[in-house]
Amino acid sequence: AQRVTQPEKLLSVFKGAPVELKCNYSYSGSPELFWYVQYSRQRLQLLLRHISRESIKGFTADLNKGETSFHLKKPFAQEEDSAMYYCALSGYAGGTSYGKLTFGQGTILTVHP
Amino acid sequence: GAVVSQHPSRVICKSGTSVKIECRSLDFQATTMFWYRQFPKQSLMLMATSNEGSKATYEQGVEKDKFLINHASLTLSTLTVTSAHPEDSSFYICSAIPGISNTEAFFGQGTRLTVV
Repeated sequence: AQRVTQPEKLLSVFKGAPVELKCNYSYSGSPELFWYVQYSRQRLQLLLRHISRESIKGFTADLNKGETSFHLKKPFAQEEDSAMYYCALSGYAGGTSYGKLTFGQGTILTVHP
Repeated sequence: GAVVSQHPSRVICKSGTSVKIECRSLDFQATTMFWYRQFPKQSLMLMATSNEGSKATYEQGVEKDKFLINHASLTLSTLTVTSAHPEDSSFYICSAIPGISNTEAFFGQGTRLTVV
């Protein structure tokens, strides 16, 4: 069975401070990991995925297979980063499996001015 | 980016009635769409995979006779909650992926169902 765990339901930081949102996963094969973000009153949208190794809005996430983690980091948080963040896993089987996601519980990030 | 639209955004229905939720991909074709359910302050749980032209694949524990899914075209999937009860009240979200190899799922805005 696949599982995604986000241990923090709430995370508060001040503007300019570093932020790390934790995500651990359990999966027997080679998963595809994603971070999705939901801003207030908006739909879920993809923030980044591990396979593309890119930085979006200053956020990065590295897949650590040894620790089965995919923590999301940003060195200097901004107020507009305040949102709900979901870590998600897809068990890769090619093609449409990318849409079949197992989500973590989500972390509400609040960045104070 | 690709757009997925759900209708309605909110619906209130009486216990015992059925309600249909539509999920449309507006600017791309989606062979496969996904339906999720989200309880208050909880995560999204995958309910079923909707396949165009064939039967939906339901996750364990999801009643397929209660949650009817139809994927009649490459741009439309519908979820019908039959004989709704108050415990079916929830936030229902659909997603779709363009093509067969894209790695990004696009989400609808969700539908808030309240059964009274």
